[in-house]
Parts: sequence; C-alpha cells; structure tokens
Amino acid sequence: NAGVTQTPKFQVLKTGQSMTLQCAQDMNHEYMSWYRQDPGMGLRLIHYSVGAGITDQGEVPNGYNVSRSTTEDFPLRLLSAAPSQTSVYFCASRPPGLAGGYNEQFFGPGTRLTVL
Amino acid sequence: SQQGEEDPQALSIQEGENATMNCSYKTSINNLQWYRQNSGRGLVHLILIRSNEREKHSGRLRVTLDTSKKSSSLLITASRAADTASYFCATDLNYQLIWGAGTKLIIKP
Repeated sequence: NAGVTQTPKFQVLKTGQSMTLQCAQDMNHEYMSWYRQDPGMGLRLIHYSVGAGITDQGEVPNGYNVSRSTTEDFPLRLLSAAPSQTSVYFCASRPPGLAGGYNEQFFGPGTRLTVL
Repeated sequence: SQQGEEDPQALSIQEGENATMNCSYKTSINNLQWYRQNSGRGLVHLILIRSNEREKHSGRLRVTLDTSKKSSSLLITASRAADTASYFCATDLNYQLIWGAGTKLIIKP
C-alpha cells in the first residue's frame, strides 16, 4: 500500500491565484481530513470527511473548499490564495475503531505552500 | 483554539536519559493520542490511550492519562539520537482530533 499520498510537495503561488492540493489514500478509510501547520504551532483542522459525499468544516475553513466524490480522493482547493495561507498542509486518513469512533490517523508527507 | 497544550515546549537531554512530556486538555475526550514528527516530515502515530485507561506501554514509550486532571504524560526511556523530533498530543472527540503545539525534543550524543 502507498498509504496517504499528496501532490505537489512544494508550491509557490501569487496572491489571488487558485490551486488544488491533491490527496489520495489506498487503505479504504472512510475518514479523511486536511490540516495546516504553521511554525511553532500544532495542526489545525481545515475540513474533514466521514465518507464519500460528506464533508464538514474544521477549525479554520475560510478560503478553502473540499469535495469527496470517492473514498480514495480528498482534494483541497484554495479559492484565491493569500499570504496568510502560507503553510505546510497535511492530509490524513483514519480507519474506524472496533467499538465505534476512530483510531489512529495516517498522514501524508505534506505540501509546503508559499503565497507571495 | 487548541485543545491540548504540551509542556515543556522544548527539551534537551543526553542520550540514554529519560524524557517526559506532558499534555493538558480542556474538554472530555474519547481518547488521547501521541504522535512524532521528524523535521519536515509528516506525523507518525505512537500510541493511543482511551479515556477509560490510565496507563499504556509500547516498547520504550509509557503513556499515562488522568481524566480528572485532564492531563497526559509521555515518557520515553533510554533515549536515543533517533528520538530527536517534535512530539504532539491530540485529543479525540466527535470525529475530530484537536492538537497541541508540541514539544521539541533534542537528544544530545
């Protein structure tokens, strides 16, 4: 299994440009999520999905859109990039737990985004 | 706002010593998880402790959970240079993991 894959690894955008960060997992996990990590801070949840066709907002959703048309893919779209969106973006997926809920999270390698 | 807060923010110890990191959180949880992040990499899951558990071991890792104090600790015994990394706690409630800012651990040879 490839696990959780993300593309691109690095990206530089100009203010106002749009782009899509790709995320895919081959573990058949229903739950997927997107985080951003800024220097000296933990991860902050942007959006998450508990299955195909279902998405919800996390802590910092403004300026980002997601969709989940398949179990495998969970792309993150930046609508109009701003310098405040300069960050490292991580995609993650989780298998369901035995007694309901979810267990540990599996992370992709991250996308380092710079917005000029 | 962040749920978990790790303490200390940074820790530097000699190889072979034990390292202890603490995590405090604010609300009730289903479980609490610890992750490691090597510089520039994604996070790797270390251990999960459920709200009805008080202590858990995995190799050189020992995690405790005190739900009355809303706190957890991660102990790494007999540290190695390869343990140099940032360590994060994450609390699990209602489909979301909420993260602390992490402890940066440096193991000196």
